[in-house]
Amino acid sequence: RKEVEQDPGPFNVPEGATVAFNCTYSNSASQSFFWYRQDCRKEPKLLMSVYSSGNEDGRFTAQLNRASQYISLLIRDSKLSDSATYLCVVNLRTGTASKLTFGTGTRLQVTL
Amino acid sequence: DTAVSQTPKYLVTQMGNDKSIKCEQNLGHDTMYWYKQDSKKFLKIMFSYNNKELIINETVPNRFSPKSPDKAHLNLHINSLELGDSAVYFCASSPYAVGTGHDGDTQYFGPGTRLTVL
Repeated sequence: RKEVEQDPGPFNVPEGATVAFNCTYSNSASQSFFWYRQDCRKEPKLLMSVYSSGNEDGRFTAQLNRASQYISLLIRDSKLSDSATYLCVVNLRTGTASKLTFGTGTRLQVTL
Repeated sequence: DTAVSQTPKYLVTQMGNDKSIKCEQNLGHDTMYWYKQDSKKFLKIMFSYNNKELIINETVPNRFSPKSPDKAHLNLHINSLELGDSAVYFCASSPYAVGTGHDGDTQYFGPGTRLTVL
């Protein structure tokens, strides 16, 4: 079983749609959780951290269920500029470093 | 100002050669990382250094040798390059320190070095 599993997609949605991505992780000792975004041929960039109580940043809402080891990302009112690969990331602190484990990513294509 | 920079951006070389990739961060972070992203886009950690000390060393062939001359720099030297080494290599840094939680765990990535071994 992969440490972090995501549906690879692609998800093709029209502008204005709401789209949800899901992710599961295998290591129950994981301590912090993130969604990163990666555009084609670019580096991953932090989209948002994911907190146990759920958190929202504009059109983006992230949820974490530690009991089920499940993370989600909801994007409302999709924009063309949201087209990218969304990476689910879990962290295990190792000594004086944070060891991020990435999912393979879910590709989103927003169309007119 | 670029926060995490890498050189070169592209590297094309023959099998068997030795090459280095350089990384620098101007964020004042203590911890730096090297990742490999293969052709299937899977991003996997290779090494991590904190203040010049090796912290994470994943199962990576010993042809790969990281070097950290100071906490702002982490270079990656690869000996005897093989076809399977072709990938994009990303450097990252984080302000990680005990007790900093999410903010400390967040990693900032460089633009990547696309390595092609012929």
